[in-house]
Amino acid sequence: NAGVTQTPKFQVLKTGQSMTLQCAQDMNHNSMYWYRQDPGMGLRLIYYSASEGTTDKGEVPNGYNVSRLNKREFSLRLESAAPSQTSVYFCASSLAGGLSGELFFGEGSRLTVL
Amino acid sequence: AQSVTQPDIHITVSEGASLELRCNYSYGATPYLFWYVQSPGQGLQLLLKYFSGDTLVQGIKGFEAEFKRSQSSFNLRKPSVHWSDAAEYFCAVGYSGGGADGLTFGKGTHLIIQP
Repeated sequence: NAGVTQTPKFQVLKTGQSMTLQCAQDMNHNSMYWYRQDPGMGLRLIYYSASEGTTDKGEVPNGYNVSRLNKREFSLRLESAAPSQTSVYFCASSLAGGLSGELFFGEGSRLTVL
Repeated sequence: AQSVTQPDIHITVSEGASLELRCNYSYGATPYLFWYVQSPGQGLQLLLKYFSGDTLVQGIKGFEAEFKRSQSSFNLRKPSVHWSDAAEYFCAVGYSGGGADGLTFGKGTHLIIQP
């Protein structure tokens, strides 16, 4: 059982380049999330999708866009990468969002922007 | 808005010694509380959770946590740590009002195990 799968695991970009982080879950969960993790900052929510067809901003959405492609997949796009977006990105899913609360995480995608 | 504070950035414990990691939360209603562990280069794994009922909850890997409403705390404990417990530990609070906006995480406590 794969759980939450993220690709790519590592990526190096130059300032101004664009890229998309892919996330897929096979647990039939309704809610999906993108977090970023920075040293000393913990995890901060970028965007979330409560259910297929809906997306909402989290704490730090600037510079990012998301697409909930279907129930399984939730992608994160950086249109014009900046060094401040150097981070480790985690996708997570949850059966019923805040009703259950428990999140299942992918292994992370480490992004470096030069 | 809800918030989570983990006062200790780093904690060093000798192998075999007991462990307590502190977590304080700020939230008006009854919280959903979680502890996650992150091993180096890995994603986060759920250790335990509290939704309601018994305030002492048991988790995986021999961990337990106690919810104290009067102190707004949810401290994680383990009687005897093993070298494999070295990791980053995150406390998190969930939105019990039915929203789907995920969890709010503390900044983490880095646990170092001395031989």
